[in-house]
Amino acid sequence: DSGVTQTPKHLITATGQRVTLRCSPRSGDLSVYWYQQSLDQGLQFLIQYYNGEERAKGNILERFSAQQFPDLHSELNLSSLELGDSALYFCASRRGAGATDTQYFGPGTRLTVL
Amino acid sequence: AQKITQTQPGMFVQEKEAVTLDCTYDTSDPSYGLFWYKQPSSGEMIFLIYQGSYDQQNATEGRYSLNFQKARKSANLVISASQLGDSAMYFCAMRRNTDKLIFGTGTRLQVFP
Repeated sequence: DSGVTQTPKHLITATGQRVTLRCSPRSGDLSVYWYQQSLDQGLQFLIQYYNGEERAKGNILERFSAQQFPDLHSELNLSSLELGDSALYFCASRRGAGATDTQYFGPGTRLTVL
Repeated sequence: AQKITQTQPGMFVQEKEAVTLDCTYDTSDPSYGLFWYKQPSSGEMIFLIYQGSYDQQNATEGRYSLNFQKARKSANLVISASQLGDSAMYFCAMRRNTDKLIFGTGTRLQVFP
């Protein structure tokens, strides 16, 4: 158990819908990262937050947004869902900004868009 | 641009034998970190081992060791005494300073009795 929690574990929804994925980082971790794992794109970085502030953006679609709350939990919002958004979405957390700090991953949320 | 290459889509190894999973990377930054993660069929990503670009010695964690050859830009994972539970996807990843992780395409390892 990495100490990172993600809910829900599975999510099945229809095209055009909106969903929210939730992540709670390990205790004391200030950085949260979101990644998408799909069969055709592999593991791709979406966005990073550090202590409530957006720190870096990757290949995140405009239909997707995220935020990190004062208690450091984070939410990834996916809207106007398309079939191609079906993927495993991971949240990872990291203690701080040290070069050796490891990212620990949550169990993931498997999103299926029908 | 930073890139991670894993050229072995699949590997087979017999139980109790050692296996090496290959990883090469490309970066022009002098400071970076290299990671290996294991993803079993259940889907979670499990951190295995870390190597910093300035580390003089190869990293080891139990049965896992990282064969770091900086000049060749390779960071191969060696698993000793393979166990059936080692069957999984293995991903090599790189991070520059405090940046995001960039992953390779993974290697599927199957351990047979």
